[in-house]
Amino acid sequence: EVVLTQSPATLSLSPGERATLSCRASQSVGTYLAWYQQKPGQAPRVLIYDASNRATDIPDRFSGGGSGTDFTLTISSLEPEDFAVYYCQQRSDWPPLTFGGGTKVEIK
Amino acid sequence: QEQLVESGGGVVQPGRSLRLSCAASGFTFSNYGIHWVRQAPGKGLEWVAVILHDGTNEYYADSVKGRFTISRDNSKNTLYLQMHSLRGEDTAKYYCARDSGLRVLEWLLDHWGQGALVTVSS
Repeated sequence: EVVLTQSPATLSLSPGERATLSCRASQSVGTYLAWYQQKPGQAPRVLIYDASNRATDIPDRFSGGGSGTDFTLTISSLEPEDFAVYYCQQRSDWPPLTFGGGTKVEIK
Repeated sequence: QEQLVESGGGVVQPGRSLRLSCAASGFTFSNYGIHWVRQAPGKGLEWVAVILHDGTNEYYADSVKGRFTISRDNSKNTLYLQMHSLRGEDTAKYYCARDSGLRVLEWLLDHWGQGALVTVSS
């Protein structure tokens, strides 16, 4: 089973700042990594798939990068609606489908 | 637009059973695999199970294998999760989520329901 480790657990930033989230896999997943955003009381939604492709209707301030075992999600300039929890997910080795433990981006 | 709506959640005693449903609309249900993903209160996401578009195969997380059964009725555009021998650690919000692949599993979840809360407690 591929274990995904996200860091940091919490990121405290102000609107307008740049956010960089990390996801590390226990073995190579190639570029089969996705990022999801979950706001309080809502279901997750996919932001990025295959490491760097934005999903439909996702603003271009969200970008993803990496391959193999190390991945990043970058939010270039935080908007108020971006404060949420972010999860990475791999689809290289299944079952099971696995998620990281999440990074909470909170308002500083 | 694509919509998934879960139902059937509630409070159930340990050891008992419960069946969740997920009604789909806005897309051709029979063309897509569907997953169940759960989230314990205040915790992260845990994948539970998936069923192929035509119901010919399923996969399960080890934590639920042998206790949970995923199934679907394509004539009713509905997915099910039959849960037996429920435990306290099964307490979670259960989401159904569509796989992005057309008649093949891509293991990417592109549309999600709002979830159904299952509480296992005596």
